[in-house]
Amino acid sequence: DSGVTQTPKHLITATGQRVTLRCSPRSGDLSVYWYQQSLDQGLQFLIQYYNGEERAKGNILERFSAQQFPDLHSELNLSSLELGDSALYFCASSVDPGPQETQYFGPGTRLLVL
Amino acid sequence: AQKVTQAQTEISVVEKEDVTLDCVYETRDTTYYLFWYKQPPSGELVFLIRRNSFDEQNEISGRYSWNFQKSTSSFNFTITASQVVDSAVYFCALSEAGDSSYKLIFGSGTRLLVRP
Repeated sequence: DSGVTQTPKHLITATGQRVTLRCSPRSGDLSVYWYQQSLDQGLQFLIQYYNGEERAKGNILERFSAQQFPDLHSELNLSSLELGDSALYFCASSVDPGPQETQYFGPGTRLLVL
Repeated sequence: AQKVTQAQTEISVVEKEDVTLDCVYETRDTTYYLFWYKQPPSGELVFLIRRNSFDEQNEISGRYSWNFQKSTSSFNFTITASQVVDSAVYFCALSEAGDSSYKLIFGSGTRLLVRP
């Protein structure tokens, strides 16, 4: 158990809908990363937050947004969902941002868009 | 250009065999970090090891060992006396000091199947 929690574990929804994925980092970790794992794209970085502020963006679609709250949990919002958004979404956390920091991953949320 | 290459898509071995998973990376940074993660069938990503670009010492942890060679830009992972529980997808990843996002760049993964 990495100490990173993600809810829900599974999510099934329809095209055009909006969902929210939630992540709680390890105790003491200030940095949160979101990644998407899909069959065609592999594991891709989406966005990073540090202590409530957005630090970096990756290949995140405009239909997707995220935020980190004062208690350091983070939410990833996916809207106008398309079939291609079906994927495993991971949250990871580290103490600080930095290339030397190990990112610990949560169990993921498996999203299926029908 | 792919920065982390795991050319072996799938490897199948019989229990107790040794197996090496290859990882080749590409970066212009002189300071970078390499990681291995394990993704068992349950789906979570489990951290195995982190290595920085200035430390080429090989590392051994139980049945696991890692060989880092800057000259060939490789960071290979060997499992000795494999067990069925080692069956998983293994990912090699790179983090670059020059990339302010400090994101992990993952390879495509190697699926290891250990047969009893």
